[in-house]
Parts: sequence; C-alpha cells; structure tokens
Amino acid sequence: AQSVAQPEDQVNVAEGNPLTVKCTYSVSGNPYLFWYVQYPNRGLQFLLKYITGDNLVKGSYGFEAEFNKSQTSFHLKKPSALVSDSALYFCAVRGRNYQLIWGAGTKLIIKP
Amino acid sequence: ETGVTQSPTHLIKTRGQQVTLRCSSQSGHNTVSWYQQALGQGPQFIFQYYREEENGRGNFPPRFSGLQFPNYSSELNVNALELDDSALYLCASGLAWGQADTQYFGPGTRLTVL
Repeated sequence: AQSVAQPEDQVNVAEGNPLTVKCTYSVSGNPYLFWYVQYPNRGLQFLLKYITGDNLVKGSYGFEAEFNKSQTSFHLKKPSALVSDSALYFCAVRGRNYQLIWGAGTKLIIKP
Repeated sequence: ETGVTQSPTHLIKTRGQQVTLRCSSQSGHNTVSWYQQALGQGPQFIFQYYREEENGRGNFPPRFSGLQFPNYSSELNVNALELDDSALYLCASGLAWGQADTQYFGPGTRLTVL
C-alpha cells in the first residue's frame, strides 16, 4: 500500500539552529515526493518536490530536502530556522489516480 | 498567493442538507483536485478533473460529486450531509496531467455540519 509517515507530531527548534522535519514513504515504482507548508487558517503552500535527479532538492524560503532511496526518506531541512517558519508541514507522495497521499503533518515550532 | 480562489470561506449546514463549494483555478491550469482535511489530519483525496472529465477518485461515496467547467472553474457538491463531513475542503489546480505535476492550493472552505 502507498503511504507517507511523518514520525514526529511536533518539532521544536531554537531560532538560528538547523531544522529537520522527517518523512518516510512507501510506494511502488519511482516516487514523486512533495513538501507543503500550512499556516493557520490558510491553504497549503508548495515548498519543493523531488521527481528525479539530484538527491538534494532546493525549494522556497531557504528549505531543502534530501531524498534517500535506500531509507525511503525525504527529510525537509533548513540550515538556520526563523520564527516565521513556525507552521504545519506536510509531506506527500504521488499515488495512483494522480492523487497526493499525505502524511499526518508535523507542527514546527521555532522559539526565539 | 497561488491564484487559486475558493468560495465561500466558511459555511454552516445541517445534517441531510446539500452543499456546493466553488473553486477558481490558476490561469492556464488544466487539472483541478479536491481534498478533505479533517481537523488535525492530512488532506484526503476526493477526486480530480482533467479537461472536464473525472480521471481519479479517492475513497469517498457517490454523494460527493464534482464538475469542472470550460473556464477551469469547478464545483464540489456534497449531498445528504453527515456530521463527519465537517472539515476544511481544499481545491488544488495543476498545469498538466501527470505524476510530476505540482498542485497549487486555494485557501479552503471550512464546512461545519450541525
């Protein structure tokens, strides 16, 4: 079955420190992976995606993600966290019927 | 901003009623997808339309139906509302039909069923 797991409900990071939000996936064939961010009472904003090629993908707002095929992971990273990065982050994988299959989300809290 | 708009922002209905939610896709986009996001959960895929035809559906009953119009606006219709239908409904549009396509989301419609 196709699925996405985000093992951490919440991640706390001090401002200026690096951050990592974890995501693992299960899908048959080549994965198409996405990260989105959701601010309170807002829709989902696209951050980045992995289709093929370089395992390190760069996206919006200084975020990047590392694709690891052997570990079936696609962790979201940022070298230096900002308070404004505090939000809900979702990892998704493309499934059958072109749908996106989503993780449960990880709440990222950046403390000043 | 993605250029995807949804209306209304909020909606309150009672059990058994019918509701229509609307979405206007980003200019030039050919696909539109609808998702249901319950509180504290990730979105769940309802269905996708491409060139006015439904071309993918998630595990939702037939009382969830949709339309896509030539101007790439779309509707989500839900009949016989149930309490569990209370959720944020998200519309997303994409440039092309395919696995690698990025979907851009609107702000959502918050539906409350009493």
